Amino acid sequence: DIQMTQSPSSLSASVGDRVTITCRASQTISRYLHWYQQKPGKAPKLLIYAASALQSGVPSRFSGSGSGTEFTLTISSLQPEDFATYYCHQSYSTLTFGGGTKVEIK
Amino acid sequence: QVQLVESGGGLVKPGGSLRLSCAASGFPFSDYYMSWIRQAPGKGLEWVSYISSTSSYTDYPDSVKGRFTISRDNAKNSLYLQMSSLRVEDTAVYYCARGGNGWLDFWGQGTLVTVSS
Repeated sequence: DIQMTQSPSSLSASVGDRVTITCRASQTISRYLHWYQQKPGKAPKLLIYAASALQSGVPSRFSGSGSGTEFTLTISSLQPEDFATYYCHQSYSTLTFGGGTKVEIK
Repeated sequence: QVQLVESGGGLVKPGGSLRLSCAASGFPFSDYYMSWIRQAPGKGLEWVSYISSTSSYTDYPDSVKGRFTISRDNAKNSLYLQMSSLRVEDTAVYYCARGGNGWLDFWGQGTLVTVSS
């Protein structure tokens, strides 16, 4: 199975900060990489698919980049509603998720 | 709008069985792969199974292979997960989601399965 490693596992940031989360795959996955946001007690929500495509309705402050084995999710200016846990997910082969990155208020 | 509503969760003893259901609406259900994903308390997401639009293809991770069976009824716009030989480590919130051969673009609210004696 392809292992997905997210870093950091948690971070503290302030409203207005630029935040970057990294996801590394144990082997190449082309651009079969997707990002989700999950708030406590809620289902995950798709933010970015195919590495860089913004899901409909998702604010443009979210962006994704990368290909092969290294990917990033960037929030250009953190908003209060963005404090959540973020997961990457690969669909190149048997589906696997990263361990998550919890974004907390500094 | 797309809606996915899971049901069937509950408390079951180790070794027991449970069948989860997911009622879909707001999109052409028979056109889409569907998946089950679970999340143990305080843990991350784990893919459990997916099924192709015509049920011709299914897949599972080793952790549930041989114990869980995914199925669907396109006439009823419904997805199912039959779980048997349940273990304590299967305790989780189980989500159904649209997709499986790519991204998962809509998720249900989840149903809690607790395996405990």
